[in-house]
Amino acid sequence: AQSVTQPDIHITVSEGASLELRCNYSYGATPYLFWYVQSPGQGLQLLLKYFSGDTLVQGIKGFEAEFKRSQSSFNLRKPSVHWSDAAEYFCAVGASGTGFQKLVFGTGTRLLVSP
Amino acid sequence: NAGVTQTPKFQVLKTGQSMTLQCAQDMNHEYMSWYRQDPGMGLRLIHYSVGAGITDQGEVPNGYNVSRSTTEDFPLRLLSAAPSQTSVYFCASSYVPIGSGELFFGEGSRLTVL
Repeated sequence: AQSVTQPDIHITVSEGASLELRCNYSYGATPYLFWYVQSPGQGLQLLLKYFSGDTLVQGIKGFEAEFKRSQSSFNLRKPSVHWSDAAEYFCAVGASGTGFQKLVFGTGTRLLVSP
Repeated sequence: NAGVTQTPKFQVLKTGQSMTLQCAQDMNHEYMSWYRQDPGMGLRLIHYSVGAGITDQGEVPNGYNVSRSTTEDFPLRLLSAAPSQTSVYFCASSYVPIGSGELFFGEGSRLTVL
């Protein structure tokens, strides 16, 4: 069965600094990978997704993520964080073996942005 | 452009009471799903539907029922609420299977069971 690990529960970054949020997955085949963002009191919004091809994917709001098969990782990055990026971020993996009727989320990383 | 609408946003129940969380989408999506979000546990799939009249269980289905009589609506029923069902519930819809594309989420329903 697939699983997702987000090892950092909280991360604090200064505004303007770079950001990297870690995500490790466990799945035997090539996974479909996603990053979602949840602002306080809101539902989740898709930032970016990886299915195949170029391992560096670009998303909305200036975010990018890199798929590294050898490390089973899909880390999210942003070169310069803005105060509005403060939110909770979820990595998720979809499994082809279930006809893609299953999506497993990580436990989330809460990003705090300091002035 | 409503997207996915959930009602109510907040609800307090007593143990043993029943209630229905409503979910409606106006994007003509075939796939809909319900999740619960608990601190430190991310989102867990409760039930999902691949089209009108077709539903299936997710990861944590016990204590919840669903039906899908129309493409637009996917209500979640708690038959006899328990304190363990205190959570934030999210409904989502998509035009592809839930593990293969973008999910569109509602704003959530916060349920407290006393």
